[in-house]
Amino acid sequence: SQTIHQWPATLVQPVGSPLSLECTVEGTSNPNLYWYRQAAGRGLQLLFYSVGIGQISSEVPQNLSASRPQDRQFILSSKKLLLSDSGFYLCAWSGTPQGGYTFGSGTRLTVV
Amino acid sequence: AQSVTQLGSHVSVSEGALVLLRCNYSSSVPPYLFWYVQYPNQGLQLLLKYTTGATLVKGINGFEAEFKKSETSFHLTKPSAHMSDAAEYFCAVSGANNLFFGTGTRLTVIP
Repeated sequence: SQTIHQWPATLVQPVGSPLSLECTVEGTSNPNLYWYRQAAGRGLQLLFYSVGIGQISSEVPQNLSASRPQDRQFILSSKKLLLSDSGFYLCAWSGTPQGGYTFGSGTRLTVV
Repeated sequence: AQSVTQLGSHVSVSEGALVLLRCNYSSSVPPYLFWYVQYPNQGLQLLLKYTTGATLVKGINGFEAEFKKSETSFHLTKPSAHMSDAAEYFCAVSGANNLFFGTGTRLTVIP
């Protein structure tokens, strides 16, 4: 069966520090991968998605970036965090359009 | 283009009462529709989905939803609310490479 792992679960980082969040999927190949963010009391904001290794589409211009170095690995990064980067970050994968998404358990990022 | 509108950002029901969460969609192609539930500080969990076939779909935890093409709706219902149903619920419609989510409805269950 397919599983998705996302870590860390919580993170407190100072303003201006770098960020690296990792997401891996097991039990499937060539998944579509997604990074979402939820700010407090807000809905889901799609940040990046990837349909293959090295293929990244950005939905929102910001100081975040994403990379897909391996088929089942998706990394969200920042060189310098801003206070506004605080939020709940979710990774997800999908296979077919009718299958929907499977989400990771999320990372709560607090920038102080 | 695909989009979803969830009517009511907050819904409160008494324990044991009917739960009705509304979702209307817009899609240029036959849609695949989904409902997800999110508990605090957790990821989203798939409740149910409509792809093809029977328009009344049943999901986990006693929830069900009916696809009504004429009304472009996919409302989520549960006959009797339980305290454990308190959560945020998201409706979504499938696009070519991603899902389009509604803004969510927070369900409160009053004891």
